[in-house]
Amino acid sequence: KNEVEQSPQNLTAQEGEFITINCSYSVGISALHWLQQHPGGGIVSLFMLSSGKKKHGRLIATINIQEKHSSLHITASHPRDSAVYICAAYTDKLIFGTGTRLQVFP
Amino acid sequence: GAGVSQSPRYKVTKRGQDVALRCDPISGHVSLYWYRQALGQGPEFLTYFNYEAQQDKSGLPNDRFSAERPEGSISTLTIQRTEQRDSAMYRCASSLNEADTQYFGPGTRLTVL
Repeated sequence: KNEVEQSPQNLTAQEGEFITINCSYSVGISALHWLQQHPGGGIVSLFMLSSGKKKHGRLIATINIQEKHSSLHITASHPRDSAVYICAAYTDKLIFGTGTRLQVFP
Repeated sequence: GAGVSQSPRYKVTKRGQDVALRCDPISGHVSLYWYRQALGQGPEFLTYFNYEAQQDKSGLPNDRFSAERPEGSISTLTIQRTEQRDSAMYRCASSLNEADTQYFGPGTRLTVL
């Protein structure tokens, strides 16, 4: 069993739909990261959170420390949101989930 | 300012050769991390530094892999006697301090023939 698990592995949506990607972890963490990997391969950090909720534009990340669970939400999804979304648990190093491949169609 | 840069961006080498991959972190960033990402997989941790001190090298696959950051800035990941299974994208990231947001470089795609 991986220490960081994501679901779903693949996700397709129509433009405008509300998207949720889930991340569960089994290790003790000091923070959880959400990353976006573009089709071209570049990785961008979206959020780093250790409690509660953060919002940036149409992206919202939440974390429940007691349940060891985090979610990434995308409101009003757009084709340009198509990417692989990766959660990573920070202990003294990042432990990555396997990623969720999102495709948003017009 | 400039982001994290890595060189070369692409490296093709023959099995048995040594390769050195370079990472230039964001200026002033204390922590520097090396990751490896196989095609279709998520990144996996290799090693990291705070300043020039290597804090954790538990992710290095074997003793053919080594890394250094002698002056606390630029880092080099060296793979000796490369093997085909070493083919992957090698990514570097830096953060202002340990546990801060990490900024990723573009990666070096290594292909071992």
